[in-house]
Amino acid sequence: DVKVTQSSRYLVKRTGEKVFLECVQDMDHENMFWYRQDPGLGLRLIYFSYDVKMKEKGDIPEGYSVSREKKERFSLILESASTNQTSMYLCASSPRGYFNQPQHFGDGTRLSIL
Amino acid sequence: RKEVEQDPGPFNVPEGATVAFNCTYSNSASQSFFWYRQDCRKEPKLLMSVYSSGNEDGRFTAQLNRASQYISLLIRDSKLSDSATYLCVVNPGSNYKLTFGKGTLLTVNP
Repeated sequence: DVKVTQSSRYLVKRTGEKVFLECVQDMDHENMFWYRQDPGLGLRLIYFSYDVKMKEKGDIPEGYSVSREKKERFSLILESASTNQTSMYLCASSPRGYFNQPQHFGDGTRLSIL
Repeated sequence: RKEVEQDPGPFNVPEGATVAFNCTYSNSASQSFFWYRQDCRKEPKLLMSVYSSGNEDGRFTAQLNRASQYISLLIRDSKLSDSATYLCVVNPGSNYKLTFGKGTLLTVNP
């Protein structure tokens, strides 16, 4: 089974802090993704990466950056946390190949910015 | 038209009922389709992929209609454990990104 592990289930930070969310997958997947999920808005893609050191902006990249130094690890960085970044953050991975590959999700991180 | 549109529900059905969800998508070039389920405060999990010929997995049947650009999920003999939000997911075909619907909430009652 694919295992996608997010570093924290719950996290509380203060406005203005730099926040790091870590994600590790153990299936040698090329593609990795960061989403946030908010009530009524569904899942929204922040950034994704299709290879080491490669990244592409998703639908809502503002206020976020990412890092992919190793294939198995994809980090999401909130440069200066704000209260509107309080959300559920979900990491996912998928293998390269045809477009019929589903994504596999981690447990999620519930981030609260005070 | 939204990229992926689902009836948000909620659907409240008794145990043993058959329930069907529909989902429409706007991009006719979409390549692949999935149904995910998400339990309350948990991560989405793949329920099944949707193939052009239709596919079945136990009590679950998925259908794809490319001409009308919709996919469906049928759940037969509903169980209490089927209570969850069901997400319709589409790959629009341009890269490995997936587009998620906002989900349909199902509650199966005893």
